[in-house]
Amino acid sequence: AQTVTQSQPEMSVQEAETVTLSCTYDTSESDYYLFWYKQPPSRQMILVIRQEAYKQQNATENRFSVNFQKAAKSFSLKISDSQLGDAAMYFCAYRSPYNNNDMRFGAGTRLTVKP
Amino acid sequence: DTEVTQTPKHLVMGMTNKKSLKCEQHMGHRAMYWYKQKAKKPPELMFVYSYEKLSINESVPSRFSPECPNSSLLNLHLHALQPEDSALYLCASSQQLPGTGGIGSYEQYFGPGTRLTVT
Repeated sequence: AQTVTQSQPEMSVQEAETVTLSCTYDTSESDYYLFWYKQPPSRQMILVIRQEAYKQQNATENRFSVNFQKAAKSFSLKISDSQLGDAAMYFCAYRSPYNNNDMRFGAGTRLTVKP
Repeated sequence: DTEVTQTPKHLVMGMTNKKSLKCEQHMGHRAMYWYKQKAKKPPELMFVYSYEKLSINESVPSRFSPECPNSSLLNLHLHALQPEDSALYLCASSQQLPGTGGIGSYEQYFGPGTRLTVT
């Protein structure tokens, strides 16, 4: 079974600075999909960014980008120009294309943004 | 419209009560999910419906009973719950390719959740 590991329970960043959240995963599949979700105190899980394993190019969404290292099974999230609204719990998630709608989440990283 | 709605936002119920959680989406998604989330933990998958049929039940106790009346609605019926069932219950939906095991990169869209407290 696939597992997702987020080794940083908590991270802190100064407003306007850059922070990187780490995520590693274990799988024997060659095709899969990776996601970063954000869950602010309002509770709603919001998709931040996604990456298809067959794509070599790292995904980017405005201030959010990933460093996808397929061989190392690593999928880190970089947040540039951090804003107070970025403070939230961030979950890394793995989705298999073969296991009916199953998505595996990491334990999460709580990000604090200091003004 | 990329919204998943859930009602109620908060629910307090006794262990002998019967209540239901409701989830609705109008994105044409044919896969819908129930998750349970404890504080400071990731969501745990409970049930998956694919084309209105239950496709995954993650060994959830029978006091939780899911129902998918149509492609837009998902209910979770609650009966004789225990205090440890207190949690945030999240609904999600995603696209689903027919006749497959879920192939596709389709992300899940989450609702705001129902905060359940069992007394």
